[in-house]
Amino acid sequence: ILNVEQSPQSLHVQEGDSTNFTCSFPSSNFYALHWYRWETAKSPEALFVMTLNGDEKKKGRISATLNTKEGYSYLYIKGSQPEDSATYLCAFTPRSGGSNYKLTFGKGTLLTVNP
Amino acid sequence: NAGVTQTPKFQVLKTGQSMTLQCAQDMNHEYMSWYRQDPGMGLRLIHYSVGAGITDQGEVPNGYNVSRSTTEDFPLRLLSAAPSQTSVYFCATSSGGEHTEAFFGQGTRLTVV
Repeated sequence: ILNVEQSPQSLHVQEGDSTNFTCSFPSSNFYALHWYRWETAKSPEALFVMTLNGDEKKKGRISATLNTKEGYSYLYIKGSQPEDSATYLCAFTPRSGGSNYKLTFGKGTLLTVNP
Repeated sequence: NAGVTQTPKFQVLKTGQSMTLQCAQDMNHEYMSWYRQDPGMGLRLIHYSVGAGITDQGEVPNGYNVSRSTTEDFPLRLLSAAPSQTSVYFCATSSGGEHTEAFFGQGTRLTVV
């Protein structure tokens, strides 16, 4: 069983604060690292899929970095807004058949942004 | 396009009953998966399929069967429901390419009493 760890488990910030969370994963046999945003009562939606060491991706106020050699990824949110409140999941895919279909998820970081 | 459609949204079963959770997609994706979500456990892979006629076990397959007779449909069967199968179930699809994300259905909340 692959070990994907996310920290912190939960986080409360004030509107306007910037914040970041961590995802750690096995550094050997890496294929891809996914980030998903999961709002209550909805289904997870993809933010980023990252495959290359040193990758940095950005979508609006949210960005992510990837270090495959040491096995971690950071997700950053700049100027948090109440609508950013959600659980943020990362998922790891090992190089096994070279496909992106078999994801191992972390337990998520629950972000609450207070107005 | 509907994307990924799961039915039912909610279900209550008695221990020992059987049922099928339906998942249908209109995205022409080859890869389909079933996950279960339990408090404090994250999403765990039950079964997956890389194409019609091909299925395989994930991390927690016991108590569940799947089949994939068409590209569009990937039903999950509980043969004899147990309280431990109380969970939220998500179906996901992917085209499987290097940069391709998974697309999730809305989930089925199952309670076994």
